[in-house]
Amino acid sequence: AQSVTQLDSHVSVSEGTPVLLRCNYSSSYSPSLFWYVQHPNKGLQLLLKYTSAATLVKGINGFEAEFKKSETSFHLTKPSAHMSDAAEYFCVVRSGAGNMLTFGGGTRLMVKP
Amino acid sequence: GAVVSQHPSRVICKSGTSVKIECRSLDFQATTMFWYRQFPKQSLMLMATSNEGSKATYEQGVEKDKFLINHASLTLSTLTVTSAHPEDSSFYICSARDDSAYYNEQFFGPGTRLTVL
Repeated sequence: AQSVTQLDSHVSVSEGTPVLLRCNYSSSYSPSLFWYVQHPNKGLQLLLKYTSAATLVKGINGFEAEFKKSETSFHLTKPSAHMSDAAEYFCVVRSGAGNMLTFGGGTRLMVKP
Repeated sequence: GAVVSQHPSRVICKSGTSVKIECRSLDFQATTMFWYRQFPKQSLMLMATSNEGSKATYEQGVEKDKFLINHASLTLSTLTVTSAHPEDSSFYICSARDDSAYYNEQFFGPGTRLTVL
């Protein structure tokens, strides 16, 4: 069985300040981990993915995430928030037979001017 | 990159009617597609796995006679919401797994907003 917990349902930051969106996972197998972003009434866009290569993964739009096996975490960070980063972010784990995806509950990022 | 389309993007229908939503992989083949449902301000919940040429696999609690899935080709899966009711109003998102991708990555469609009056 696998599960994903996004520790914050809402995160609010000021434009230009760092962003930290937290994600913890559990998995019986070596997982692949993803972060997706969803803007209102839109589909999902892949930000980055970890698939057992480098533990520090760089994605699009300046985002990056670090896979920490000992902490079972895959937190998403960005050094400086932009207004256009305001959206819903989902941490997703994939493992085991069938490559099924399990979604976290989502974190809504708000960026204040 | 791989593109998945959904049609329609938005549909409003009367209670009791049926609605068909299409999911297409535009530049790759997808033996397997997935249908998700997302309620407002909630995460995505997997409804069913659609397999080309065979019956779909439904998640627990999802009525297969209510949500008919057909995956007739390697690039098209359809979800039909039969006898829709207001509680079926939701955002439906499909994804397609690229058969040729090394990690069998899933690519998501833009979603379909269904409103049942």
